Amino acid sequence: DQQVKQNSPSLSVQEGRISILNCDYTNSMFDYFLWYKKYPAEGPTFLISISSIKDKNEDGRFTVFLNKSAKHLSLHIVPSQPGDSAVYFCAASVMYGGSQGNLIFGKGTKLSVKP
Amino acid sequence: DVKVTQSSRYLVKRTGEKVFLECVQDMDHENMFWYRQDPGLGLRLIYFSYDVKMKEKGDIPEGYSVSREKKERFSLILESASTNQTSMYLCASSYRPNTQYFGPGTRLTVL
Repeated sequence: DQQVKQNSPSLSVQEGRISILNCDYTNSMFDYFLWYKKYPAEGPTFLISISSIKDKNEDGRFTVFLNKSAKHLSLHIVPSQPGDSAVYFCAASVMYGGSQGNLIFGKGTKLSVKP
Repeated sequence: DVKVTQSSRYLVKRTGEKVFLECVQDMDHENMFWYRQDPGLGLRLIYFSYDVKMKEKGDIPEGYSVSREKKERFSLILESASTNQTSMYLCASSYRPNTQYFGPGTRLTVL
């Protein structure tokens, strides 16, 4: 049973517009969430994270929103650039409470930003 | 900057061969992880380690083993490679289990 779901395998966006990538989770114990970006033939790169005590975290063009009641998070990229074309993975973990805190990854969303 | 290196970017092996994938991190991280990435399946955890000589099974450990003799080095071993182990293998390390830093990956093809 998937605990972290990225229901859109792909997303295509025009350069300069907003990209919104979505992620849902089922485990209410998750309290730390991350987004990774992965180019082909490279390892994933950490992009941005958010703790469950916040509902928004911003870093430049990237903003992550967390809706705990809906068990949903999203990554907004504004404005989108062709270099943002990559696979984006959502990940979740339990940071506290005695668990090992391993990351649980979604299956990824492939973002294509068209010039 | 955290640096995680993997011994090979591309590797081609034959069925039945024993395969070693090496991973080295230079940030004195306690935690190290091995994943495989396959299209449509995301990243799946094979094994992880929280300390030297310590290892824990992940979600898909069958057909793999690991070794951690030194803090900076975590090796993944395919005892007898099979074609269904053709994949991208990713190593990661972290100070805490949460924010992991990945190496460039090894694309393994088993013929």
